[in-house]
Amino acid sequence: KAGVTQTPRYLIKTRGQQVTLSCSPISGHRSVSWYQQTPGQGLQFLFEYFSETQRNKGNFPGRFSGRQFSNSRSEMNVSTLELGDSALYLCASSQAGTAGNTIYFGEGSWLTVV
Amino acid sequence: AQKITQTQPGMFVQEKEAVTLDCTYDTSDPSYGLFWYKQPSSGEMIFLIYQGSYDQQNATEGRYSLNFQKARKSANLVISASQLGDSAMYFCAMRGPYNTDKLIFGTGTRLQVFP
Repeated sequence: KAGVTQTPRYLIKTRGQQVTLSCSPISGHRSVSWYQQTPGQGLQFLFEYFSETQRNKGNFPGRFSGRQFSNSRSEMNVSTLELGDSALYLCASSQAGTAGNTIYFGEGSWLTVV
Repeated sequence: AQKITQTQPGMFVQEKEAVTLDCTYDTSDPSYGLFWYKQPSSGEMIFLIYQGSYDQQNATEGRYSLNFQKARKSANLVISASQLGDSAMYFCAMRGPYNTDKLIFGTGTRLQVFP
């Protein structure tokens, strides 16, 4: 059974550009969430989607957005990139996003903004 | 508000020995879940073990066990028979009640296993 798949694994962008990261959850999983990990701030929750609806959102500016498709795959977008957006972006999935469901993570996408 | 505290920035353990990584949490909700994840330098966050607040028994998964002390609000991870491949960052995380996958993470503990 394939795990959570994130693409691309590594990317370098220039300040002001935008970036789209993709996440394919484990087959059968309907809940997808995103996290940003930086050395300074640690792991921070970005947002969560379930059945194509955003169910929860973290404290990030509007430049950070996401969506989920009918096949549960998710994308997140960061517009007008800033140097501080350089981070590891992790995607996670669970079956139903309810108590007791194990949450599995992908390998992450390493974003460097120059 | 929910909070996870990991007070050990780094730990050393000799191969084949057991090690305990500390985690305390704070929440006013009676229903919550606690997770431990391992993160090697590659970045992938690997699920290790899960404990629900209403679970009667401490969770175990192979060499990993969770020492859950609800009254003390602690959920320490015990790794038995450490292996060199256990060297990594370890994160404790909490999921709140209701239907959400939002996790609150601790700052992590870097474990180094030496021969």
